[in-house]
Amino acid sequence: DQQVKQNSPSLSVQEGRISILNCDYTNSMFDYFLWYKKYPAEGPTFLISISSIKDKNEDGRFTVFLNKSAKHLSLHIVPSQPGDSAVYFCAAADGGSQGNLIFGKGTKLSVKP
Amino acid sequence: DTGVSQNPRHKITKRGQNVTFRCDPISEHNRLYWYRQTLGQGPEFLTYFQNEAQLEKSRLLSDRFSAERPKGSFSTLEIQRTEQGDSAMYLCASSFEGDGYTFGSGTRLTVV
Repeated sequence: DQQVKQNSPSLSVQEGRISILNCDYTNSMFDYFLWYKKYPAEGPTFLISISSIKDKNEDGRFTVFLNKSAKHLSLHIVPSQPGDSAVYFCAAADGGSQGNLIFGKGTKLSVKP
Repeated sequence: DTGVSQNPRHKITKRGQNVTFRCDPISEHNRLYWYRQTLGQGPEFLTYFQNEAQLEKSRLLSDRFSAERPKGSFSTLEIQRTEQGDSAMYLCASSFEGDGYTFGSGTRLTVV
């Protein structure tokens, strides 16, 4: 049973528009959430994170929103750029697990020029 | 320090052979993690070290798998009697007390 779900395998967006990637989780013990970006043949690269005590975290073009009651988080990329084309993974951690991250299956984002 | 380094980048082996991968973490990081990623899936946790102590193992880590971190620096992951189902990308990550979680580029294993 997947504890972290990314229900959209792919997303296509025009350059300059907003990309919204969604993630749902089932484990209420998760208290820290991360987004990673992955290019083919490379390891995941950390993008942005959010603690469960916050509902929003922003870093440049990237903003993560957390809705704890809905067990839902989203990553917004504004404006989207062709270099953002990659697979995006949502990950969650339970503070008691000491760093064992639970990943979703990923969403492949394509940003078209 | 250029980040988490994994060797080899690619490994092709025949079924039944043993393979060993190496991970060199960021030098000041005390925690080291191994993950496995198969096609269409996100990375799945395998095991985790704090310094030289192996503190957690996933049920995915069968008895054919063994990981070590003898001096609390680099780590090795060995798979004995490889099976085709072991074909995957093996990812290593490191952190300092959970902060600065950084992945390496991975070792892609193909079992033929």
